[in-house]
Amino acid sequence: DVKVTQSSRYLVKRTGEKVFLECVQDMDHENMFWYRQDPGLGLRLIYFSYDVKMKEKGDIPEGYSVSREKKERFSLILESASTNQTSMYLCASSFRERPQHFGDGTRLSIL
Amino acid sequence: GENVEQHPSTLSVQEGDSAVIKCTYSDSASNYFPWYKQELGKGPQLIIDIRSNVGEKKDQRIAVTLNKTAKHFSLHITETQPEDSAVYFCAASEPGGSYIPTFGRGTSLIVHP
Repeated sequence: DVKVTQSSRYLVKRTGEKVFLECVQDMDHENMFWYRQDPGLGLRLIYFSYDVKMKEKGDIPEGYSVSREKKERFSLILESASTNQTSMYLCASSFRERPQHFGDGTRLSIL
Repeated sequence: GENVEQHPSTLSVQEGDSAVIKCTYSDSASNYFPWYKQELGKGPQLIIDIRSNVGEKKDQRIAVTLNKTAKHFSLHITETQPEDSAVYFCAASEPGGSYIPTFGRGTSLIVHP
């Protein structure tokens, strides 16, 4: 079974802090994704990567950056956290055009 | 780009009833339509999917139908059970290398015992 693991289930940070969210997948998937999930807005794509060191902007990249130094790991970075980035963050991976597999999410609160 | 509309946002049924969730999409090039179920505290999980060369697909109590002409697809759950209570997301994607689906906003299904 595919396993996508997000390093934290809950995280509380302060405004202005640099925040790292980590995601690891164990199935050698090429594609990895970061979404944020907010009530009534569904899943919105922040960034995705289709190969090591490659990244593409999604629909809402402002205020975020990503890093993919190894195939199995995809990191989301909030350079200077703001309160409007309080949300649930979901990581996903996929192989070519196969369906995505999601982690269980990180609930991030920015105070 | 693709736009996916999903209705209703909330659906409440009695155990044993059927539930139907409907989605429309805008891009006629979309050819793959997955449905995900998200239980409380978990990430979304694929429950069924359909490709544009098929009109209907069934898996036990779950079925999905697709009308390419009208650009809409639906999820049907029969004989609902309390464990079916969750948020359901539809999605649509075009042919392409990275498979990036566009998601609907989700339907919160509540099954009352």
